[in-house]
Amino acid sequence: GQNIDQPTEMTATEGAIVQINCTYQTSGFNGLFWYQQHAAEAPTFLSYNVLDGLEEKGRFSSFLSRSKGYSYLLLKELQMKDSASYLCASLDSNYQLIWGAGTKLIIKP
Amino acid sequence: DAGVIQSPRHEVTEMGQEVTLRCKPISGHDYLFWYRQTMMRGLELLIYFNNNVPIDDSGMPEDRFSAKMPNASFSTLKIQPSEPRDSAVYFCASSYREVEQFFGPGTRLTVL
Repeated sequence: GQNIDQPTEMTATEGAIVQINCTYQTSGFNGLFWYQQHAAEAPTFLSYNVLDGLEEKGRFSSFLSRSKGYSYLLLKELQMKDSASYLCASLDSNYQLIWGAGTKLIIKP
Repeated sequence: DAGVIQSPRHEVTEMGQEVTLRCKPISGHDYLFWYRQTMMRGLELLIYFNNNVPIDDSGMPEDRFSAKMPNASFSTLKIQPSEPRDSAVYFCASSYREVEQFFGPGTRLTVL
């Protein structure tokens, strides 16, 4: 079967660093996406990894290990506006996105 | 570009009524996706189109749901008859090829 696992909720402090993990098992693999979704808003694209390694984009970085079926999203210098849900999604062999349930990130002052 | 446009933004209806949700994808995008999101089930893919042709509708819950894409700039998702368990946020998303999907603002549907 196809499965995406990520923690349900995480809490972090403003200014700190947080890592959100995601493990996936999908029929084939064509890349791993991270999306951010603020409450009552639409998901917005953060990153796409298809090769192993770390991709850095400002305060956000995303890592992929294809052999381990594992990815993480790293958020640095946390700001209150980073409070949101973070969705991990794997692109399967049919180029269909398989979505995780999302990790709700709570930032405290 | 204005991004993906959805209408209405909010819909409240009574059980048994027909509901039609509308979507205008980003110009030039060749894929269109309809999703449903609830607290219990998260984000679920209902159906997607490639070049206006439905490719996979295995996520459509039952025959009460139907979707059309008559041209590259318009798609509808219809629920007839609607039931309270259909209450959710329905997102439309589009992409160029199969990569990054751009989501519309969503339609919040409440069926009483």
